[in-house]
Amino acid sequence: AQSVSQHNHHVILSEAASLELGCNYSYGGTVNLFWYVQYPGQHLQLLLKYFSGDPLVKGIKGFEAEFIKSKFSFNLRKPSVQWSDTAEYFCAVRSGGSYIPTFGRGTSLIVHP
Amino acid sequence: ETGVTQSPTHLIKTRGQQVTLRCSSQSGHNTVSWYQQALGQGPQFIFQYYREEENGRGNFPPRFSGLQFPNYSSELNVNALELDDSALYLCASSSSSGVRSITDTQYFGPGTRLTVL
Repeated sequence: AQSVSQHNHHVILSEAASLELGCNYSYGGTVNLFWYVQYPGQHLQLLLKYFSGDPLVKGIKGFEAEFIKSKFSFNLRKPSVQWSDTAEYFCAVRSGGSYIPTFGRGTSLIVHP
Repeated sequence: ETGVTQSPTHLIKTRGQQVTLRCSSQSGHNTVSWYQQALGQGPQFIFQYYREEENGRGNFPPRFSGLQFPNYSSELNVNALELDDSALYLCASSSSSGVRSITDTQYFGPGTRLTVL
């Protein structure tokens, strides 16, 4: 069974700091990769996704993620965070032709103004 | 806003009772997935419905069941509630091109918070 690890459970940053959230998965074959964000009091929404092609994926609100197949990783990055980026971030993976995504347990990001 | 709505927002039940949660899909979407999100965890897939039929199931017992209606709205039913069923239940809709499509993007609703006492 596939698994998804988000090693940073809680991250606290100051505004303008750079962000990198780790995501590693266990499946070795073809994967679809997602990052979702859940702002306080709001629903889960898609930040970005990777299906194929360029391993550097750009999403909404200045976020990007890089798929590194050899490291089984799909880390989320943002060069300069804002207070409004305070939220819960979830990495999700679909693998082996399965339509069922497996989510990581999430990373709570707090950005201080 | 995704256009996916869920009701009720919050619900309190006692152990052994039954509960029905409802989801209205985004316009034009024909597929609904249900997830359970326990506190401090990521969403866990329960099942998916495509054109009114169950399309696949995660690792949940049969007391978790569902329906999808002709207008693509959906229900999640849980019988014989247990304390561990306390969680946020999320509905996600998508527009699929076929059974078990993996290319569709899911749009999530705000969830129903279920507390079992």
